[in-house]
Amino acid sequence: GAVVSQHPSWVICKSGTSVKIECRSLDFQATTMFWYRQFPKQSLMLMATSNEGSKATYEQGVEKDKFLINHASLTLSTLTVTSAHPEDSSFYICSAREEGSGSSYEQYFGPGTRLTVT
Amino acid sequence: GQNIDQPTEMTATEGAIVQINCTYQTSGFNGLFWYQQHAGEAPTFLSYNVLDGLEEKGRFSSFLSRSKGYSYLLLKELQMKDSASYLCAVRGGTYKYIFGTGTRLKVLA
Repeated sequence: GAVVSQHPSWVICKSGTSVKIECRSLDFQATTMFWYRQFPKQSLMLMATSNEGSKATYEQGVEKDKFLINHASLTLSTLTVTSAHPEDSSFYICSAREEGSGSSYEQYFGPGTRLTVT
Repeated sequence: GQNIDQPTEMTATEGAIVQINCTYQTSGFNGLFWYQQHAGEAPTFLSYNVLDGLEEKGRFSSFLSRSKGYSYLLLKELQMKDSASYLCAVRGGTYKYIFGTGTRLKVLA
């Protein structure tokens, strides 16, 4: 089956620094990737839709200058949390839809990245 | 606006049957999904409905009524390992996935 990886799986950083999270589709090409954030005991909140070769589409209330998304290839999207603050501490999960999947209904989730900002 | 509602928590006994409801109001509809998520892990796909009716998959079944904006996930023969959060998600008109608040299920021995 389709596999999506994320790196790193967890990261601790100091307030004010930037952190980059990678999302890779390992055995398929993903035109579209999604970035979610999940706070403890809450559901997934869609942050942005990442499209290969074009600008990401951000959800209302998500600062595009703080959460930089780059989808440079059909297998890689990156999320950079710039000038991180403790309130950015969360579980970040990416997912990917397979290129040419048409009516395919599944999105494949990465294992998530636990970010802690101290 | 877009809204997906689920009960926050449910408790059931091992071996029993539990039904987790989900109601939704979204702009556009291209399918409803159920995912299971254990703490600290990514969601795993359970089921998908795009037409009205019941989809059965082993111990799990999912039902959809598009006219009522309603779905449920039915879990039979509950096992301790079924203790997890269950997320209802709707794929909207732009193919974005909107997740519900999630239902934390506790299975008791």
